[in-house]
Amino acid sequence: AQSVTQLGSHVSVSEGALVLLRCNYSSSVPPYLFWYVQYPNQGLQLLLKYTSAATLVKGINGFEAEFKKSETSFHLTKPSAHMSDAAEYFCAVSAGNEKLTFGTGTRLTIIP
Amino acid sequence: DGGITQSPKYLFRKEGQNVTLSCEQNLNHDAMYWYRQDPGQGLRLIYYSQIVNDFQKGDIAEGYSVSREKKESFPLTVTSAQKNPTAFYLCASRTVSGTIYGYTFGSGTRLTVV
Repeated sequence: AQSVTQLGSHVSVSEGALVLLRCNYSSSVPPYLFWYVQYPNQGLQLLLKYTSAATLVKGINGFEAEFKKSETSFHLTKPSAHMSDAAEYFCAVSAGNEKLTFGTGTRLTIIP
Repeated sequence: DGGITQSPKYLFRKEGQNVTLSCEQNLNHDAMYWYRQDPGQGLRLIYYSQIVNDFQKGDIAEGYSVSREKKESFPLTVTSAQKNPTAFYLCASRTVSGTIYGYTFGSGTRLTVV
């Protein structure tokens, strides 16, 4: 079985501040991990993915995430928030059975 | 450009009516998926298909039906048995060997019961 927990359904940060969105996973086999972003009334766009290569993964729009096996975490970060980062973010895991299991999402608000 | 096309973008259903949501992809992907999205619940898997003429139930298949007669197409029918169909529906696809590449998503269909 596999699952994902995203801590914090809503996160607010000031423009220019650090963005940190938390994701913890559960998997009985080595996982593949993903972060997706969703803008209102749109589909999901892949931000980045971990596929057992480098543990620090860089994605689009300046986002990155670090895979920490000991903590079963895959937190998403961005050093400096921009207004255009306001969206909903989903962490997802795929572990052997090839189906993606999603977390419940974190809505990111950027304060001007 | 290759991608996934979902139509219509907005759909209204009367009580007791069946409606069909379209999903077409030109990515030559083998597997296709239907997810339902409700506020605060993330994405929940309805049905998926890894090959033509074969599909499996996901976590919330009751009240839904699908078909996979062509590789490019995976329509979802929301039947009258689905008691709370108002939601945002997302279609996705990937190659069979594309586990590590994640899914490609369509832009979604918002279904509202009137």
